[in-house]
Amino acid sequence: AQSVTQLGSHVSVSEGALVLLRCNYSSSVPPYLFWYVQYPNQGLQLLLKYTSAATLVKGINGFEAEFKKSETSFHLTKPSAHMRDAAEYFCAVNRGGANNLFFGTGTRLTVIP
Amino acid sequence: SQTIHQWPATLVQPVGSPLSLECTVEGTSNPNLYWYRQAAGRGLQLLFYSVGIGQISSEVPQNLSASRPQDRQFILSSKKLLLSDSGFYLCAWSVLPTGNLWTETQYFGPGTRLLVL
Repeated sequence: AQSVTQLGSHVSVSEGALVLLRCNYSSSVPPYLFWYVQYPNQGLQLLLKYTSAATLVKGINGFEAEFKKSETSFHLTKPSAHMRDAAEYFCAVNRGGANNLFFGTGTRLTVIP
Repeated sequence: SQTIHQWPATLVQPVGSPLSLECTVEGTSNPNLYWYRQAAGRGLQLLFYSVGIGQISSEVPQNLSASRPQDRQFILSSKKLLLSDSGFYLCAWSVLPTGNLWTETQYFGPGTRLLVL
C-alpha cells in the first residue's frame, strides 16, 4: 500500500535561507505525489504535484520538489525562505480509487527574521 | 472556476449538543467529496468520502455521520457531540480525471473550527 513519511515535525530556518522539507514514500506502483501547504486557520492549498511527466516539479510561491526513485523521496525545497512561508506542509501520495490521498503527518515551518 | 465553501467558519458547542457542518462546491459536476478532521497537533484524518448523491463511505467509526443530499453539497452531522470532536474540519473535492486516475487531485475548503466545551 502507498504511504508517505515526513521527517521532522518542525523545521526552523532563517529568512533568506534554504528551505528543505523531507518526504519519503512507499509504493508498490509508480507513485503520484503531492505537496500541500496550510497557513494558520486556513484550508490546504495545493503547492505542486508529481504525475510522472518530469522529475523536477515547480510549484507556486517559488517551491519545487524533485522525485528521486532511487531514494524513494520527494523533498520540497525553496532557495530563499520568506516570512510568509511560515506554515504547515503536508506531503501526500495518491493510492488510487475514490479514497485516494494518504497524507503525511505534516511539517511545521518556522521562519526566523 | 471551481470554488468550495464551508460554514460556519467557527463554532463553539456544548457537549451533548447536535452538530451540522455544511460544504458546497461550485463550478463542477459530480465531484468526489471528502470530510477530514485535524485535531490539535495532529495530522489529517479522513472521516468520510462520497462518490455520488447518497453514497457515503466511512473511514473511522465514531459518533459523526455524513450525508450528501445534492450533487455538490456535503453535510457532516452529529446527534451528540463529545469533547474529543473538537478540531478543525476540512471539506475537499476532486473530480475523476479522464485517462490516468492516479493523478486525481483534491482541493480543500477553508475549514470549520469546532470547539466542544
